[in-house]
Amino acid sequence: AQSVTQLGSHVSVSEGALVLLRCNYSSSVPPYLFWYVQYPNQGLQLLLKYTSAATLVKGINGFEAEFKKSETSFHLTKPSAHMSDAAEYFCAVTPSGGYQKVTFGTGTKLQVIP
Amino acid sequence: GAVVSQHPSRVICKSGTSVKIECRSLDFQATTMFWYRQFPKQSLMLMATSNEGSKATYEQGVEKDKFLINHASLTLSTLTVTSAHPEDSSFYICSASLAGRYNEQFFGPGTRLTVL
Repeated sequence: AQSVTQLGSHVSVSEGALVLLRCNYSSSVPPYLFWYVQYPNQGLQLLLKYTSAATLVKGINGFEAEFKKSETSFHLTKPSAHMSDAAEYFCAVTPSGGYQKVTFGTGTKLQVIP
Repeated sequence: GAVVSQHPSRVICKSGTSVKIECRSLDFQATTMFWYRQFPKQSLMLMATSNEGSKATYEQGVEKDKFLINHASLTLSTLTVTSAHPEDSSFYICSASLAGRYNEQFFGPGTRLTVL
């Protein structure tokens, strides 16, 4: 069984401030972990993914995430928020190997304040 | 590369009618396509997985006779919502991948279905 918990359904940051979106996972086997971004009325775009290689994963648009097994976390960060980062972000997990169902978190809506 | 399209982007229909949504992989051959449903302010729920040339595998609780999925070619899957009701109103998103690799899904832009 696997699950993902995203802490905070809404996060507000000022433009230029650090973005931190939290994700904790539960998995009975080594996981693959993902972060997706969704803009209004659009599908999901992959930001980054962890597939058991480097624990610090760099993605698109300046985002990165660190896999911490001891904390069962995969938090998403960006040093400086941009207005265009305002969107919904989903953390997701699947058992390693990638041939099983992906479980998505409930999402975090990021608001960037000018 | 790896572009997935959906058509239509929005559809409004009357209760009792059927609606077909198309999902196409534009620049790759998608052995596997997935259909998700997303309720407002909620996450994505996998409805079914379809492999080209075979019957779709539906998730528990999804009515296969109501949500008909056809994956007739390596670039096209269709979802038909039969006898639509207002509670079927939702955002439907498809994704496509190679050979069932869930960790390499490419998502379509979604279809907003409103049933009156």
